[in-house]
Amino acid sequence: AQSVTQLDSQVPVFEEAPVELRCNYSSSVSVYLFWYVQYPNQGLQLLLKYLSGSTLVKGINGFEAEFNKSQTSFHLRKPSVHISDTAEYFCAVSRWGGGADGLTFGKGTHLIIQP
Amino acid sequence: DTEVTQTPKHLVMGMTNKKSLKCEQHMGHRAMYWYKQKAKKPPELMFVYSYEKLSINESVPSRFSPECPNSSLLNLHLHALQPEDSALYLCASSQGRGLAVHYEQYFGPGTRLTVT
Repeated sequence: AQSVTQLDSQVPVFEEAPVELRCNYSSSVSVYLFWYVQYPNQGLQLLLKYLSGSTLVKGINGFEAEFNKSQTSFHLRKPSVHISDTAEYFCAVSRWGGGADGLTFGKGTHLIIQP
Repeated sequence: DTEVTQTPKHLVMGMTNKKSLKCEQHMGHRAMYWYKQKAKKPPELMFVYSYEKLSINESVPSRFSPECPNSSLLNLHLHALQPEDSALYLCASSQGRGLAVHYEQYFGPGTRLTVT
């Protein structure tokens, strides 16, 4: 079984400052890793994914994440945030080669951008 | 086009009602999912359909009954729900299989369900 830990339930950041949202995972098998964003009263939008290859993954809206296998981490970063980035961010894993498995989500991190 | 549509957007139902949630995708995906999301919580997997066959049921009560009539449609039939079933119900789809494996799931906007 897989599990995901998002260490920060809430992260306040000033506009135009950099941000890092932390995600650690636990699994006995290889996994795929994802970051999703959820704006209020909406569904989830895929920000980026790590399947294999380069450990630095670039996504939409200027976000990127780095896969670190030894530390079992997949932290999300953005060099300069905007008010519109205020949202809930979920880190998720699925089992590698597992076919149509569901995603296991972390508890989420609420990113609050302060003007 | 990476769109998953869900209807209705909002639904209010009594505990004795029968209603259905609908989900549709036209991306040629062969896996479809239902998730339940309570306020300020992550989505929790309910059901997975792979090639129109139910492959995962996460011990969901029988008052929730999924149906996959074809590869593009997914329904969730609701009967005799409880107030604690009030939540956002999210549908998702993914390719599900293939050499170029991309298991990312694309989510619909959800149906906000209130049980009174």
